Amino acid sequence: QVEIQQWGAGLLKPSETLSLTCAVYGGSFSGYYWTWIRQPPGQGLEWIGEIDPRGSSNFKSSLMSRATISVDASKSQLSLNLTSVTAADTAVYYCSRGFGSFLEDWGQGTLVTVSS
Amino acid sequence: DIEMTQSPSSLSASVGDRVTITCRASQNVGAHLNWYQQKPGKAPNLLIFAASSLQRGVSSRFRGTGSGTDFTLTISSLQPGDVATYYCQQTHFTPRTFGQGTKVDIK
Repeated sequence: QVEIQQWGAGLLKPSETLSLTCAVYGGSFSGYYWTWIRQPPGQGLEWIGEIDPRGSSNFKSSLMSRATISVDASKSQLSLNLTSVTAADTAVYYCSRGFGSFLEDWGQGTLVTVSS
Repeated sequence: DIEMTQSPSSLSASVGDRVTITCRASQNVGAHLNWYQQKPGKAPNLLIFAASSLQRGVSSRFRGTGSGTDFTLTISSLQPGDVATYYCQQTHFTPRTFGQGTKVDIK
């Protein structure tokens, strides 16, 4: 049974950097698309960005200047950094794994609140 | 960015009813269209990928059809456990955009 666990700071102040990490247990890390998605409270899903099996990354254009996705293959971990956060970045953040660019296995979600 | 428009935004139907949700893409996305189900407080769950392929473990009551710009998710016989919000997502272009969601509940 594949399990994706994610973790990171849940409360940030404006201008700080959001840092989240996820890891897969009971399954493979390599050879998959890994994607970050977020969902503001009471709203729909927003695709943030992905890293493909070759290590190439793509981002939503409005977040590209602030977002970084990185992989530590030795630890089978994926990370998201989002700089200069504002209240508009308050959301539940999910990481997800897929054999293609569709999203098969999901982490449990991490609520990140940005508030002064 | 490709815009994905779902209709309706919400619907209420009786147990056993056939339910249809549509998703329209602003450009041709071929068959690169996926459907997800999200129950309150939970992560989304992949139902259909590549427009019509049923994800393993998903009930055959769920069916996806369409290609190009127009897609449909059909629930053949609505059950109480199907109460959720359903999202389409195109994966032909980056960013891989989602529809705004369709909330389904029981009448």
